[in-house]
Parts: sequence; C-alpha cells; structure tokens
Amino acid sequence: DGGITQSPKYLFRKEGQNVTLSCEQNLNHDAMYWYRQDPGQGLRLIYYSQIVNDFQKGDIAEGYSVSREKKESFPLTVTSAQKNPTAFYLCASSSDRRANYGYTFGSGTRLTVV
Amino acid sequence: DQQVKQNSPSLSVQEGRISILNCDYTNSMFDYFLWYKKYPAEGPTFLISISSIKDKNEDGRFTVFLNKSAKHLSLHIVPSQPGDSAVYFCAAYDDKLIFGTGTRLQVFP
Repeated sequence: DGGITQSPKYLFRKEGQNVTLSCEQNLNHDAMYWYRQDPGQGLRLIYYSQIVNDFQKGDIAEGYSVSREKKESFPLTVTSAQKNPTAFYLCASSSDRRANYGYTFGSGTRLTVV
Repeated sequence: DQQVKQNSPSLSVQEGRISILNCDYTNSMFDYFLWYKKYPAEGPTFLISISSIKDKNEDGRFTVFLNKSAKHLSLHIVPSQPGDSAVYFCAAYDDKLIFGTGTRLQVFP
C-alpha cells in the first residue's frame, strides 16, 4: 500500500536537545511538507520541498531544519533554538505543484519537551 | 496575518440535521480550496475541493459553496451523522496549502 509514514508516533525530548522526526513516502510524490498543529492555531507550515535537494521556509521555520536528499524522505530536525517545540507535527506530500487533489498526510508525531 | 479564517471554533448539530461550516479568506489570488477532516492524533484526510471557477461542488452528503465576491466558502453536510464528529479544516492553495484554524464538529444523537 502506498502511503506516508511518520515515526515515531510519540517522542519525548529534554530541553536543549535536538531531535529528528522521520517522514517517508512511497507515493512517488515530488513535493513534501511539514506542518505543526497547536490548539486553536490550525496547521502552520514549517518547511516544504518541491524537488530533491531543494526546500523553502514556511511561516514558522525558526528553530527547525530539514533536508531532502532523497525523493522519498523529508526529515525534520527540531533544534534547541525552537522555543516552544511541544506540538503535534504532520508531514504531507503531493504529486505536483498544483496539488489539485490535495495533500496526503502522515499520522503525525507528538513531540513533548520534558 | 491569518489568510484563511474559520471563526467558529466549534459547532454542535443533531444527527440527521444539516451542518454548515464556514471559512473566510483574504487573498483574492487563491484559486483552489479544499476541506479536510481530522480525528485526534491522526493526519487530516481530504474531503472535498472546489476550483475558483465554480461556485458549488457536491460529493454525496458533502457540498462546498464558494462565494468569491465575499471571499467566503462553506461546507454543508446533509444529513449529519455521529461519525462526522471531527475537526474540519478549510485550506486555500497558493503554491502550497494554507490552512484555517479548524472547526470542531460534534454530531449528537
């Protein structure tokens, strides 16, 4: 079955540590995205990539970094510079820039800073 | 600045009745709009979409209406069912999807 896989589902991080969230898709989609969900704030775009080895900042990129070395993979690193990292993180992919049929989302990773 | 707004954070509807979820946007250059449904601890799933050249799109119990002059779209669910209880996000396309803040729909028996 084609789909998009995020791991782990739950992640705990100590303050001051970097942590990397995994996102893998086997849909042969060119574009991939990272969103963050906080209560009452909807989904906010962190980073996106429309092609391998290229990515752009979204609305809330500060304190995050990404890489896109392979078409299938778009890992997100939450760095110690991110002031409020506790949130639900969603990865998505789409088949073309127009995204006429919407994005396919993963099931999310809940990150908690302890 | 929020370009896509859902001003009602929650909505409660009786089973069998109509649910109407609203969404406003500010950017007249948006040319494609989508609705997503989301259950807790899961990713959103695509529900229905509409192009800016249309004013209505229907898919079973779900209909999306677009009023470009008012920069407003709405999602109608008829009849509402308990399984429709979820958070609904509208989204607008501008090189990437921009989401609203969501409306939590609760359908009670």
